[in-house]
Amino acid sequence: DSGVTQTPKHLITATGQRVTLRCSPRSGDLSVYWYQQSLDQGLQFLIQYYNGEERAKGNILERFSAQQFPDLHSELNLSSLELGDSALYFCASSVSNEQFFGPGTRLTVL
Amino acid sequence: KNEVEQSPQNLTAQEGEFITINCSYSVGISALHWLQQHPGGGIVSLFMLSSGKKKHGRLIATINIQEKHSSLHITASHPRDSAVYICAVRWNGGATNKLIFGTGTLLAVQP
Repeated sequence: DSGVTQTPKHLITATGQRVTLRCSPRSGDLSVYWYQQSLDQGLQFLIQYYNGEERAKGNILERFSAQQFPDLHSELNLSSLELGDSALYFCASSVSNEQFFGPGTRLTVL
Repeated sequence: KNEVEQSPQNLTAQEGEFITINCSYSVGISALHWLQQHPGGGIVSLFMLSSGKKKHGRLIATINIQEKHSSLHITASHPRDSAVYICAVRWNGGATNKLIFGTGTLLAVQP
């Protein structure tokens, strides 16, 4: 158990819908990272937050957005969902350089 | 060309064999991670290293910064080692710990 929690574990929805994925970092970790793992693209970095502020952006679509709240949990919002958004979404947290991964949310878009 | 390349992509071994998975990268890095992902998806961080060699149980990871290459070795392999092993580098090009991932090596250890 990494200490990072993600909810929900599984999410099934339809194209065009909007979903919110939630991540709670390890106690004391200020950084949260979001990653997408799809069959064709592998693991890709989406976005990083540090203590409530966006720190870095990767291959995140404009339809996706994220935020980190004062209690340091983070949410990833995915809107206008497409079939190709079906993937595993991981968050990770860190306080220094090592990252600890959550169990992931498996999103299926039908 | 991917910034992080792993080989082999797939590996089948017999229980007890010594296993090596290789990772080469083309960007400047501040550290390299080896991750393990079991069926079902969870990712576990095995090693983070920036120089030399680290050992944890039957796992050994080495890195050669000059040659931009790392290896993960598994001694006395066991079926429970069957998983995807992913190399990820921490890119040193900005004020972030952004990870760039290899495509993974699928390891199957047969009894």
